[in-house]
Amino acid sequence: DTGVSQDPRHKITKRGQNVTFRCDPISEHNRLYWYRQTLGQGPEFLTYFQNEAQLEKSRLLSDRFSAERPKGSFSTLEIQRTEQGDSAMYLCASSPGQSWETQYFGPGTRLLVL
Amino acid sequence: SQKIEQNSEALNIQEGKTATLTCNYTNYSPAYLQWYRQDPGRGPVFLLLIRENEKEKRKERLKVTFDTTLKQSLFHITASQPADSATYLCALEVYGQNFVFGPGTRLSVLP
Repeated sequence: DTGVSQDPRHKITKRGQNVTFRCDPISEHNRLYWYRQTLGQGPEFLTYFQNEAQLEKSRLLSDRFSAERPKGSFSTLEIQRTEQGDSAMYLCASSPGQSWETQYFGPGTRLLVL
Repeated sequence: SQKIEQNSEALNIQEGKTATLTCNYTNYSPAYLQWYRQDPGRGPVFLLLIRENEKEKRKERLKVTFDTTLKQSLFHITASQPADSATYLCALEVYGQNFVFGPGTRLSVLP
């Protein structure tokens, strides 16, 4: 257990529905990252926050995806109008501000869109 | 185009032998490179980081090398054990802000 938690761990939804995932990083970690991972592939970067500021977004993050980190603590990732291609593991990671090279990953949320 | 490749999808070795995993990249210039372990259904766990000015890094039974001329990192596990069976991922630092991961190599250590 790295200290990063994600909720829910599993989500099954129907195409077209909206889903929201939550990530609670290690407290006092300034950086928070979201990744998406499909079977047999490594994690793909989606976005990251430095405190409450969203500093970078991948082009993978279409306008159906939005992430927030109010008050620089927990973060949410919302997917609107889900598509079957959104089925994946969504991983959150955090790192301390002074030593951001080491990321601590949560257990992930596995999303299945039917 | 930019690419990260890891030597093979799967690697089987006998217990007690040394496992060597390869990470090759093109069109990146990372200041450092990391290796992670991932077990099925779980998030990656950080193992080692090596910087561009370091040739080799060790931690217990693990050793990583980094050759910026060849654009390659090698990850070694000596005296391998069945408990070392997992997927191993390399990750490159990109633009000082985030990371790009390779596809991973699934290692199986056979008793």
